[in-house]
Amino acid sequence: DTAVSQTPKYLVTQMGNDKSIKCEQNLGHDTMYWYKQDSKKFLKIMFSYNNKELIINETVPNRFSPKSPDKAHLNLHINSLELGDSAVYFCASSTGQGAQYFGPGTRLTVT
Amino acid sequence: AQSVAQPEDQVNVAEGNPLTVKCTYSVSGNPYLFWYVQYPNRGLQFLLKYITGDNLVKGSYGFEAEFNKSQTSFHLKKPSALVSDSALYFCAVRPPSYGQNFVFGPGTRLSVLP
Repeated sequence: DTAVSQTPKYLVTQMGNDKSIKCEQNLGHDTMYWYKQDSKKFLKIMFSYNNKELIINETVPNRFSPKSPDKAHLNLHINSLELGDSAVYFCASSTGQGAQYFGPGTRLTVT
Repeated sequence: AQSVAQPEDQVNVAEGNPLTVKCTYSVSGNPYLFWYVQYPNRGLQFLLKYITGDNLVKGSYGFEAEFNKSQTSFHLKKPSALVSDSALYFCAVRPPSYGQNFVFGPGTRLSVLP
């Protein structure tokens, strides 16, 4: 199936830990994104990568670091997790004039 | 600053009635415009987009949206609502100066009552 996939779907961890979320798209898109959706359902863009280069970083703490080994993957690594990091994280991809296509989300709970 | 407004947090409509979910935007230039739907515990799904051309665009699941340049609006519509349309709807714009980046509205929760 052509899609944007994310793993894991759920992630429960303690404060101070380091964790990663993986994202892969097989749509042939050249731009990938990470969004954070808070408990009020607001979507906030965190990063976007175009052809493996970071082109935007919306004042996200440097505990968050995107890593893109190739055009099809954009992983999100989070250091020293805090309670406020609890949210749903969505990966997305797009190309040209097209829409963004979203992954199913990763629900992160920090205890 | 680029922004997207969805003035209604919640829209309630009876099944079979027409529905409208409103969106206005404030961006420079001629942006691309999009609507997405999010069902519970799911990712956002693309519904439709406006790039250029006819101001009325048709999308998935019988939805359509009307672009109004003078009012900088892009309202989502459907002639006859279904209970299964109940979900969270997001308007998004892609300003021309933003490359591939999108600005999302805060979302509108649509409830279709049987």
